[in-house]
Amino acid sequence: EPEVTQTPSHQVTQMGQEVILRCVPISNHLYFYWYRQILGQKVEFLVSFYNNEISEKSEIFDDQFSVERPDGSNFTLKIRSTKLEDSAMYFCASSEDRAGGETQYFGPGTRLLVL
Amino acid sequence: DQQVKQNSPSLSVQEGRISILNCDYTNSMFDYFLWYKKYPAEGPTFLISISSIKDKNEDGRFTVFLNKSAKHLSLHIVPSQPGDSAVYFCAARIQGAQKLVFGQGTRLTINP
Repeated sequence: EPEVTQTPSHQVTQMGQEVILRCVPISNHLYFYWYRQILGQKVEFLVSFYNNEISEKSEIFDDQFSVERPDGSNFTLKIRSTKLEDSAMYFCASSEDRAGGETQYFGPGTRLLVL
Repeated sequence: DQQVKQNSPSLSVQEGRISILNCDYTNSMFDYFLWYKKYPAEGPTFLISISSIKDKNEDGRFTVFLNKSAKHLSLHIVPSQPGDSAVYFCAARIQGAQKLVFGQGTRLTINP
């Protein structure tokens, strides 16, 4: 069964450093998403991406964050200058581009720890 | 953001019995609802969904019920199995949008 994959599974970084989280969405999916879950809190939407542009973003997704589809398979989230409060699990998800294809399928997540 | 609420942080059920997980929402613009299951250190796994034009959807042991007038949905698992022990999240999507709004989750424990 096709699945969303994410690398790395864990990332430790120093405050102020840049990190890039990588995702490979399910191959025939055209909508891509990033969510995060801070320890003990809800899963929160960050951004959705379709047709090579951001289609929706939350107030969390400020200028520190960017997303990119650098090739035909990868989808990345970049945090330019990490802060302590960016420590969280980051989940990538993807969904089909068709009526009835609204279900978003999630990857296993990347645990980011900012020191 | 309290648009989707799961008021029970935990639930314990005997193996073989029915598990009922509840979710309430406040935004009448939600048109699609999903239940996800999550094990520790893994991503949410999709279980079952329901469109706002339906009031019930069934898939094997899992049934989701939607009561639009009460803005309430529930997930029924029957019979419950030990492998069902996990955190269950309900999520909702606003019509025309992509983002999912999640509840806080309910930790389900199935006792042998």
